[in-house]
Amino acid sequence: EAGVTQSPRYAVLQEGQAVSFWCDPISGHDTLYWYQQPRDQGPQLLVYFRDEAVIDNSQLPSDRFSAVRPKGTNSTLKIQSAKQGDTATYLCASSLRGRGEQYFGPGTRLTVL
Amino acid sequence: SQWGEENLQALSIQEGEDVTMNCSYKTYTTVVQWYRQKSGKGPALIILIRSNEREKRSGRLRATLDTSSQSSSLSITGTLATDTAVYFCAARNMGYKLTFGTGTSLLVDP
Repeated sequence: EAGVTQSPRYAVLQEGQAVSFWCDPISGHDTLYWYQQPRDQGPQLLVYFRDEAVIDNSQLPSDRFSAVRPKGTNSTLKIQSAKQGDTATYLCASSLRGRGEQYFGPGTRLTVL
Repeated sequence: SQWGEENLQALSIQEGEDVTMNCSYKTYTTVVQWYRQKSGKGPALIILIRSNEREKRSGRLRATLDTSSQSSSLSITGTLATDTAVYFCAARNMGYKLTFGTGTSLLVDP
């Protein structure tokens, strides 16, 4: 069974530039999560979906961050105008409804100069 | 212990030694999950303990949970160099959201 895949693996931007991260969850997993993991810290939930619906985006900086999952499968997280404080690894995870285990992808390491 | 504003903790031990990591959580939870994250990889679940369990074992791993003090621990016996990783505890709420601690970086020297 293929795991969660993410691309790109690395991104380096100047402040003010935009970037998109893509996630392909495990086939059949209806729940998808995006986390931000600053260096030397634990993952912090940004947003999560059940199928195509946003369940909780309360931690998503809505003025610059957006996330979609239009068909309930793949998902894209976009930062419209990156800031140095956005430097972190962005992790995608998926799970089955009613099952607590989340399966994580390898992450995208973002550096904003 | 890991949580709140604390920085990543670091432990360095020799292969074969036993180690225990502690975690305290602030949100209500019925499940604490422990994840292992190796360099360049995403976290992977290694053991899960529920509020009706005081102790859970899986191979060389042992997790405890004390809901009265809102704390959990992870012990690894007979560590191997391959146990080198960052270990996170995560409290799960009723909606399956996870709140992660700050983590413990474990280095096991062969």
